[in-house]
Amino acid sequence: QQPVQSPQAVILREGEDAVINCSSSKALYSVHWYRQKHGEAPVFLMILLKGGEQKGHEKISASFNEKKQQSSLYLTASQLSYSGTYFCGTEGGSGYALNFGKGTSLLVTP
Amino acid sequence: NAGVTQTPKFRILKIGQSMTLQCTQDMNHNYMYWYRQDPGMGLKLIYYSVGAGITDKGEVPNGYNVSRSTTEDFPLRLELAAPSQTSVYFCASSYVEGDGYTFGSGTRLTVV
Repeated sequence: QQPVQSPQAVILREGEDAVINCSSSKALYSVHWYRQKHGEAPVFLMILLKGGEQKGHEKISASFNEKKQQSSLYLTASQLSYSGTYFCGTEGGSGYALNFGKGTSLLVTP
Repeated sequence: NAGVTQTPKFRILKIGQSMTLQCTQDMNHNYMYWYRQDPGMGLKLIYYSVGAGITDKGEVPNGYNVSRSTTEDFPLRLELAAPSQTSVYFCASSYVEGDGYTFGSGTRLTVV
């Protein structure tokens, strides 16, 4: 089942913060986050596992609320290079591959 | 280390033609996946494999076939191409279940 991402799109000025949400109607074992720039392949950012803590990657961090079946990606002090489409991928622990959301388009302007 | 290599990068097919999208990885990853990406729809799983000789259907397998005879290669076969198969196809791999995916650069396919 495809997870739901919000918002669909966001425009930021350089230095501003953003939060991207990902929710699922099914119990989750793990949540992945990827960024895709126009015309390129998705690139892995981080994974959050059930029972794990919040993970970080420089100024990009994420949380995973197992009870609510939700994950949030936090982008702090955004840079121009953060522009792209962010996808969450969810795994229900049944052995299947990731189900990806429709993506959130992020544009950081000078 | 090349990572995940997909060929061709672009292809135009006529309705009813067949073709094979190639995918090779040199990271000794056990898991391999095929996704298609349509504008605004995210990535949809076509087929995946957990090791040589083992494949399974994903969400949108109709019109496609796969094989996994070696750890490195995971080709995707399109039989009787249809306009609905116009899409960007991504191959990905991971070492184990739950590991981050490494994606290939994609194949942009147009069926006319």
